[in-house]
Amino acid sequence: GENVEQHPSTLSVQEGDSAVIKCTYSDSASNYFPWYKQELGKRPQLIIDIRSNVGEKKDQRIAVTLNKTAKHFSLHITETQPEDSAVYFCAAPANSGYALNFGKGTSLLVTP
Amino acid sequence: NAGVTQTPKFQVLKTGQSMTLQCAQDMNHEYMSWYRQDPGMGLRLIHYSVGAGITDQGEVPNGYNVSRSTTEDFPLRLLSAAPSQTSVYFCASSSGLAGVSGELFFGEGSRLTVL
Repeated sequence: GENVEQHPSTLSVQEGDSAVIKCTYSDSASNYFPWYKQELGKRPQLIIDIRSNVGEKKDQRIAVTLNKTAKHFSLHITETQPEDSAVYFCAAPANSGYALNFGKGTSLLVTP
Repeated sequence: NAGVTQTPKFQVLKTGQSMTLQCAQDMNHEYMSWYRQDPGMGLRLIHYSVGAGITDQGEVPNGYNVSRSTTEDFPLRLLSAAPSQTSVYFCASSSGLAGVSGELFFGEGSRLTVL
């Protein structure tokens, strides 16, 4: 299946700072890259996704960038708030698009 | 809409016992899948289904069976539980193929401990 590498595994920032999480993938045919957020004890939920025909997508304080040549994509969170503290997962297609393979996750802690 | 419902939420098994994790969705989604979540390992795909009567293996299928007799239900069976299957299990569904365009809607998870 698709290998998805995610870095860093943990990230601690001060409230108001920016946070960046990076993922790389191996299948150059991949064309859909979602990000999920999982709060402690809760289920993962989609926060943003990007398709391969665009290089960047924004939704308020979060943005995702995609570099198809380098096969990596990143999640950017600006003006971080304590409620942004969670585990974030990137994902990329697997099994010819019939499934998603997830990265191992990044635990983000935003301290007041 | 209840979304994706998993039962039970917690279960303790002894090695060698069998059990079924239930998953039901009321969104008329064709695509359903099972993931397991272990510390430091992220979410790993066990099995998935693209419609009633159609299932396929994911990344870690060994020790698990699935079937899809209806659009709504996608149970996960552990035939002979092993301690290595101690994990949190998530069922997820999508209106489209998960790897193409479909947002995955997850259930609340089922925490399984095998002694």
